[in-house]
Amino acid sequence: EVQLVQSGAEVKKPGESLKISCKGSGYSFTNYWIGWVRQMPGKGLEWMGIIYPGDSDTSYSPSFQGQVTISADKSISTAFLQWSSLRASDTAIYYCARRRDGYKGRYYFDYWGQGTLVTVSS
Amino acid sequence: DIQMTQSPSSLSASVGDRVTITCRASQNISSYLNWYQQKPGKAPKLLIYGASSLQSGVPLRISGSGSGTDFTLTISSLQPEDFATYYCQQSYITSWTFGQGTKVEIK
Repeated sequence: EVQLVQSGAEVKKPGESLKISCKGSGYSFTNYWIGWVRQMPGKGLEWMGIIYPGDSDTSYSPSFQGQVTISADKSISTAFLQWSSLRASDTAIYYCARRRDGYKGRYYFDYWGQGTLVTVSS
Repeated sequence: DIQMTQSPSSLSASVGDRVTITCRASQNISSYLNWYQQKPGKAPKLLIYGASSLQSGVPLRISGSGSGTDFTLTISSLQPEDFATYYCQQSYITSWTFGQGTKVEIK
């Protein structure tokens, strides 16, 4: 059974750093891209970026480029999303999701993690 | 970025109703369009990929259509478990974007 299990909720202060995780199981972790999606309180979904754990090739949304870092450790089948200096506006639920490659590049997210709530408050 | 615009933003419907949600892309995205359902406190769930392909396990009352810039998600007979928020999402370019969501509420 394919599973993506994310790390637990975090409460941080502005300016602090943070790294959250997403562990894949039940499939070949290195062969599927993992994406990250933000959902701010009461708002919609925002695509942040994506990583291929096989070679750590990464792509970011222009809105998130330079604001976060996406990485992966294939030895432990885990992807990461990290901030060097959090802001109150980073308060949100963050989801990881596995990208499936469909017909002629019609990609989609077929499995999702349960989400990690990040709260940034002084 | 490709902008995705859904309409309506919300709707009220009764069990058994036929419901249609539309999604318009700011440029031609062929059929690189996916639909997700999200219930409160839960992760999104894939319903439709490639504009019209039904994800395994999704009930046949749900369907998708469209190509180019205009797309539709249809629920032929709304069931209690279908009350949720629905999002379209384009995967035509590397930087994916989602629509703003359509909340389907009980009338």
